[in-house]
Amino acid sequence: QLQLQESGPGLVKPSETLSLTCTGSGGSISTSSYYWGWIRQPPGKGLEWIGSIFYTGSSYYNPSLKSRVTISVDTSKNQFSLKVSSVTAADTAVYYCVRLRRNIANNWGQGTLVIVSS
Amino acid sequence: AIQLTQSPSSLSASVGDRVIITCRASQGISRALAWYQQRPGETPELVIYDASTLETGVPSRFSGSGSGTDFTLTISSLQPEDFATYYCQQFNSYPLTFGGGTKVEIK
Repeated sequence: QLQLQESGPGLVKPSETLSLTCTGSGGSISTSSYYWGWIRQPPGKGLEWIGSIFYTGSSYYNPSLKSRVTISVDTSKNQFSLKVSSVTAADTAVYYCVRLRRNIANNWGQGTLVIVSS
Repeated sequence: AIQLTQSPSSLSASVGDRVIITCRASQGISRALAWYQQRPGETPELVIYDASTLETGVPSRFSGSGSGTDFTLTISSLQPEDFATYYCQQFNSYPLTFGGGTKVEIK
């Protein structure tokens, strides 16, 4: 059973770049069956899709964040990553990495809280 | 972007009650709708996809219906472990979008 685990700094300064990595274990991300994505949830609020990537590198982004977001994949490490540039307090959230089948998130990482603060 | 409006935003119910949550899309999405459950402090979990297909392992007291713009999630007999926030999500088109959530609380 595939497990996803997010890793990265829990505190980022305003205007800097948020960087997170998701590592898969118990299964390969190099599969044609799934996309891999990021979803975030500000404290006490709802869910927001950030973007998704295929193992070949083909990606889709939420237009609301597209200019600041990059998602990449490293199949040799069974990982995919998220970068959000020029962060503000509004980017404070729990960030989840997910596996998507037909754009349905059927496997979630445990989530990691990222706080944007000086 | 397709907007999803859930109602109610919260509700109070007792164990054994029948609960119905609705999700309305701003444009037609066929049956490309999923429902997720998020218990307090936990990760969201897929409950239903394709508007009415139960995810493996989800109890049969959960059911979904609808197509086009109007959808419902029904819990036939609420159990203690069902107290959670429920989100709908459309996967008809990018960007993927979620409803604002419905919090099901204990009466």
